[in-house]
Amino acid sequence: ELVMTQSPATLSVSPGERATLSCRASQSVTSKLAWFQQRPGQAPRLLIYDTSTRATGVPARFSGSGSGTEFTLTISSLQSGDFAVYYCHQYNDWPYTFGQGTKVEIK
Amino acid sequence: EVQLVESGGDLVQPGGSLRLSCAASGFKFSNYFMHWVRQAPGKGLEYVSAISSNGGSTYYANSVKGRFTISRDNSKNTLYLQMGSLRVEDMAVYYCVRPDGGYWGQGTLVTVSS
Repeated sequence: ELVMTQSPATLSVSPGERATLSCRASQSVTSKLAWFQQRPGQAPRLLIYDTSTRATGVPARFSGSGSGTEFTLTISSLQSGDFAVYYCHQYNDWPYTFGQGTKVEIK
Repeated sequence: EVQLVESGGDLVQPGGSLRLSCAASGFKFSNYFMHWVRQAPGKGLEYVSAISSNGGSTYYANSVKGRFTISRDNSKNTLYLQMGSLRVEDMAVYYCVRPDGGYWGQGTLVTVSS
């Protein structure tokens, strides 16, 4: 099973600052990598798919990059609604898998 | 508007069975792969199962293989997850997902406890 490892587990950031989240795959997932945001009590929300394509309605401050086994989600200027847990997700090989999540909290 | 509404979650004893349903609307259900994803309380996301648009292909996580069965009724726009031999570790919120477009339902809670 393909393992996705996210770092850091928790990221403390001040509003308006940049946040950089990392995701590493145990083997190549080509570009089949997505990022989800989950706020407390809510279902996950798709932010990015195919490594770098923003989903409909996602603000431009969210961007994704990477390829193969190393991926990054960048939030250019954190706003209040961005403090949440973020999951990376590979859909290159079944069973599809998620990272364990990075919690972005207010510093 | 795409809507996915799960139902069927309940309290069940270890070893018991349960069937989850997901009613889909706002899109042509029969055109899309559908998935089930779960989240144990306070934990991360785990893929459970997937089914092709016509139901001809199914996929399962190793943790549920042989115990869960995914199916769909395209005439009723409904996705199902038949869960058997339930274990405490199956306790979670179960989400119905249309991966194409990233649509998720609000989830239904399955509690496994004696």
